[in-house]
Amino acid sequence: EPEVTQTPSHQVTQMGQEVILRCVPISNHLYFYWYRQILGQKVEFLVSFYNNEISEKSEIFDDQFSVERPDGSNFTLKIRSTKLEDSAMYFCASSDIGVSSYNEQFFGPGTRLTVL
Amino acid sequence: GQQLNQSPQSMFIQEGEDVSMNCTSSSIFNTWLWYKQDPGEGPVLLIALYKAGELTSNGRLTAQFGITRKDSFLNISASIPSDVGIYFCAGHRHGNQFYFGTGTSLTVIP
Repeated sequence: EPEVTQTPSHQVTQMGQEVILRCVPISNHLYFYWYRQILGQKVEFLVSFYNNEISEKSEIFDDQFSVERPDGSNFTLKIRSTKLEDSAMYFCASSDIGVSSYNEQFFGPGTRLTVL
Repeated sequence: GQQLNQSPQSMFIQEGEDVSMNCTSSSIFNTWLWYKQDPGEGPVLLIALYKAGELTSNGRLTAQFGITRKDSFLNISASIPSDVGIYFCAGHRHGNQFYFGTGTSLTVIP
């Protein structure tokens, strides 16, 4: 069964460093998403991406964040200068059509980011 | 941001018991979803609800989309140990953004 994969599973970084979190969405999916979950809290939407551009973003997704689909399979989230409060679980998700015509988003296993 | 409040925050039940949890919002949503998250994993969709009043079942799970479009509940009948996890509701109005609830942690005691 196809699944969303994410690497690394755990990333430890120093405050101020750049990190890139990687995701491989399900191959025939067209919509891609990043979510964040601070430990013990709810899942929060960061950004959605379609047709090589951001289609929607939340207030959390500020100028420190960027997303890219560098090739036909990977979808990345970059945090330019990490802060302590960026420590969280980051989930990638994909769907084959957009959620306005709702279709299931499939979530990856997540990358735990720890900023020291 | 939107606030979806789930209750109860946590539940400890005996295996075989039924479970009921709900989700409320001050805003109207067009779609309600219920997810389960196991430790160290991403959320997995359990049930999706598309219109007010809709009652949908998936095995031992039953969920309803409230008439006011501001709430939803999830019931689990005859709980089993593998039901352990955190259950999240999520609401969608338009665009591609979902708003997740605060979560209900379920512990099933064998």
